Amino acid sequence: GENVEQHPSTLSVQEGDSAVIKCTYSDSASNYFPWYKQELGKRPQLIIDIRSNVGEKKDQRIAVTLNKTAKHFSLHITETQPEDSAVYFCAATLYNQGGKLIFGQGTELSVKP
Amino acid sequence: GAVVSQHPSRVICKSGTSVKIECRSLDFQATTMFWYRQFPKQSLMLMATSNEGSKATYEQGVEKDKFLINHASLTLSTLTVTSAHPEDSSFYICSAPRTGSEAFFGQGTRLTVV
Repeated sequence: GENVEQHPSTLSVQEGDSAVIKCTYSDSASNYFPWYKQELGKRPQLIIDIRSNVGEKKDQRIAVTLNKTAKHFSLHITETQPEDSAVYFCAATLYNQGGKLIFGQGTELSVKP
Repeated sequence: GAVVSQHPSRVICKSGTSVKIECRSLDFQATTMFWYRQFPKQSLMLMATSNEGSKATYEQGVEKDKFLINHASLTLSTLTVTSAHPEDSSFYICSAPRTGSEAFFGQGTRLTVV
């Protein structure tokens, strides 16, 4: 089955700096890669996703890149703000499996003012 | 976006009792729902796939007799933790896809077994 590895487990940046979180996956059949932000005690919130037919997707300060050959994908947050502080999870799945997500271990991002 | 509602949000129960958690899709029909468990400072681990009108599919290592799943309608799946013990204390969260793979999550249930 699918296995997703995520690094780093914790990340501390100064406000305004960029943050990068990386994930690798094992199942070459996976074709959908969402990223979630989770605040303590809350449900995960989808912040961006990418399908395997594209290599990069951007939404304002957030971007995701995908390298299918190497089976890794990354989240890039630019101009970080204190409100970006949260735990971020990557996930992988088959698009037609309807949301059966395998999550990475999570990255606790701390943005210091 | 689509709404998935989970109830209760918090529950405290005594060791040995059973607890039922409900997951409802409020504005769409979900033939499939997923149940995850999240221990403190850990990731979401897929427990099982809930299938409307048929048996749930459990992930390796998840005891199907302990975590009973029922998906009796197109908008409701329930997870019952039977004979709960303190080690079952966790954050349980359901999700339902509406189209494709985007998963809509319930609010989660914080279970504490004392």
